[in-house]
Amino acid sequence: QKEVEQDPGPLSVPEGAIVSLNCTYSNSAFQYFMWYRQYSRKGPELLMYTYSSGNKEDGRFTAQVDKSSKYISLFIRDSQPSDSATYLCALYSSASKIIFGSGTRLSIRP
Amino acid sequence: EAGVAQSPRYKIIEKRQSVAFWCNPISGHATLYWYQQILGQGPKLLIQFQNNGVVDDSQLPKDRFSAERLKGVDSTLKIQPAKLEDSAVYLCASSWTGGAGDNSPLHFGNGTRLTVT
Repeated sequence: QKEVEQDPGPLSVPEGAIVSLNCTYSNSAFQYFMWYRQYSRKGPELLMYTYSSGNKEDGRFTAQVDKSSKYISLFIRDSQPSDSATYLCALYSSASKIIFGSGTRLSIRP
Repeated sequence: EAGVAQSPRYKIIEKRQSVAFWCNPISGHATLYWYQQILGQGPKLLIQFQNNGVVDDSQLPKDRFSAERLKGVDSTLKIQPAKLEDSAVYLCASSWTGGAGDNSPLHFGNGTRLTVT
């Protein structure tokens, strides 16, 4: 079983829709939970991070962590064409360092 | 602040040839990482440096890959000899410390896209 599982997509939604991106993980030792955004031919950039169960909001983005279910989500409200990118979940523990999911390709249709 | 610089942006070589990638991290960042990202996959850590010492190289194929970080600043990653399966984007990242999250996020360069034919 992989440490982190992420649906690769691709996911295509119309502009303005709410997008839900998800990852599941198997190791309960993970302490930090991050979402990176990667545009084509660019390096990933940190979008959001959290270290506790619950929700964290930043503008149109909400990160959600459920440690009991080992499930993390990223919600994008009022999606824009500029949100079209690959979204990578990343999990950190002091033992295993940072493990990335395989990424979900997202396309927002104008 | 200037970002993480990597060169070259693209490289095409034949199998069994050698290749080297260069990385200049953000000034003052003590930790430097090399990741391999195969098409359709997430980045996989190859090696992590703290200053000029190796913290983690457990996933580095040491029979063909080598990396160094002279004087705790710039770093080079070398592959010799290359195999077809080495075709990937090689990403360099740096951070203040070896942690994660908002206090020490990873800053990535735009990578070197390697094609082995």
